[in-house]
Amino acid sequence: DTEVTQTPKHLVMGMTNKKSLKCEQHMGHRAMYWYKQKAKKPPELMFVYSYEKLSINESVPSRFSPECPNSSLLNLHLHALQPEDSALYLCATKDQNNEQFFGPGTRLTVL
Amino acid sequence: DQQVKQNSPSLSVQEGRISILNCDYTNSMFDYFLWYKKYPAEGPTFLISISSIKDKNEDGRFTVFLNKSAKHLSLHIVPSQPGDSAVYFCAATPNRDDKIIFGKGTRLHILP
Repeated sequence: DTEVTQTPKHLVMGMTNKKSLKCEQHMGHRAMYWYKQKAKKPPELMFVYSYEKLSINESVPSRFSPECPNSSLLNLHLHALQPEDSALYLCATKDQNNEQFFGPGTRLTVL
Repeated sequence: DQQVKQNSPSLSVQEGRISILNCDYTNSMFDYFLWYKKYPAEGPTFLISISSIKDKNEDGRFTVFLNKSAKHLSLHIVPSQPGDSAVYFCAATPNRDDKIIFGKGTRLHILP
């Protein structure tokens, strides 16, 4: 299994909702990432987990809360988001050769 | 401060010709460089990488060249094919760090 999967593919939520994005990998990669990508912009790093511990938080607002339950799973919990948080949220892993593997992303729309 | 720069937002190339995408970086701590291809509404896919101990890496139609003294790398695609039309991101990382820094991307259009 050489892929990163993300669910759901699309998510529409109101500003008062609580939702979660999920990411899964079975490649044994120890580093897992959340990125946010707006149209026509590069991926913007949010969080990095290394060996299931949060190693990088790029000053992301607390309405985004990451969680790494085990080495295969990475969640992003969303609460009280703003319309400007609408974007493509990408999960990625990194192997020992520094190659990053991206999931297909979750297209999030906040109303 | 942009540490990885792709100064051409877009590039148009005739099918069958060579596409050359350029990338400059400012951080001398970067020692590993990657190129990603992205289609609309999809996540980026890894294309090719190069370590700072090399100056060239080739994989099929894709070749990456690294000029460390100029802090410049380029991706050559030859021959260019219609399916190569996408946004290409250059990225760099200090090897001991998990952070990967992306450029703003270059949109490549392959013309029939």
